[in-house]
Amino acid sequence: RKEVEQDPGPFNVPEGATVAFNCTYSNSASQSFFWYRQDCRKEPKLLMSVYSSGNEDGRFTAQLNRASQYISLLIRDSKLSDSATYLCVVNGRGGSNYKLTFGKGTLLTVNP
Amino acid sequence: NAGVTQTPKFRVLKTGQSMTLLCAQDMNHEYMYWYRQDPGMGLRLIHYSVGEGTTAKGEVPDGYNVSRLKKQNFLLGLESAAPSQTSVYFCASIASGASYEQYFGPGTRLTVT
Repeated sequence: RKEVEQDPGPFNVPEGATVAFNCTYSNSASQSFFWYRQDCRKEPKLLMSVYSSGNEDGRFTAQLNRASQYISLLIRDSKLSDSATYLCVVNGRGGSNYKLTFGKGTLLTVNP
Repeated sequence: NAGVTQTPKFRVLKTGQSMTLLCAQDMNHEYMYWYRQDPGMGLRLIHYSVGEGTTAKGEVPDGYNVSRLKKQNFLLGLESAAPSQTSVYFCASIASGASYEQYFGPGTRLTVT
């Protein structure tokens, strides 16, 4: 099983749609979870952390299921500006809290 | 604050040439990282450092060397460039004891011919 595995995508959705990304991780010792966003030819930037109880930031909702080692990101009311690659990120490889493992990313294109 | 900066932004090398990529951060972060990003491969960790004077190997260290002589700088060296090292290189840093949010530099696009 790959350390962090994401939906391969790409996702093409119309403006206003709801889209969900899924991610699984293999290291049960992982303690911190994130979604990063990467625009074309730019550096990754933190979108949101993922907490055990689930968390929401505006149109974005992140969920964590530790038992299934599964993370999700839901985007409601998609905007054109949401078009980007979304990276699932997990820490704790080999017990290291300060090393992050990145998924390969899922490309989202929101169409007018 | 400038955050994380990388020098150069673009470079073309011939096979066998050497070069050094410079990463600098002005946030007093303890941890620094070098990644490479290739199409379909995602971000892969090359080397990292948990403090001044310390470095460690990541997932794909072969063909690269690093140094962290000053806390704010992390250098990535290619002694003898190969076409397989054509990639986008990102530097990142984290403050110790923080939320583990990594701050990335803008990247260096390297082509080896």
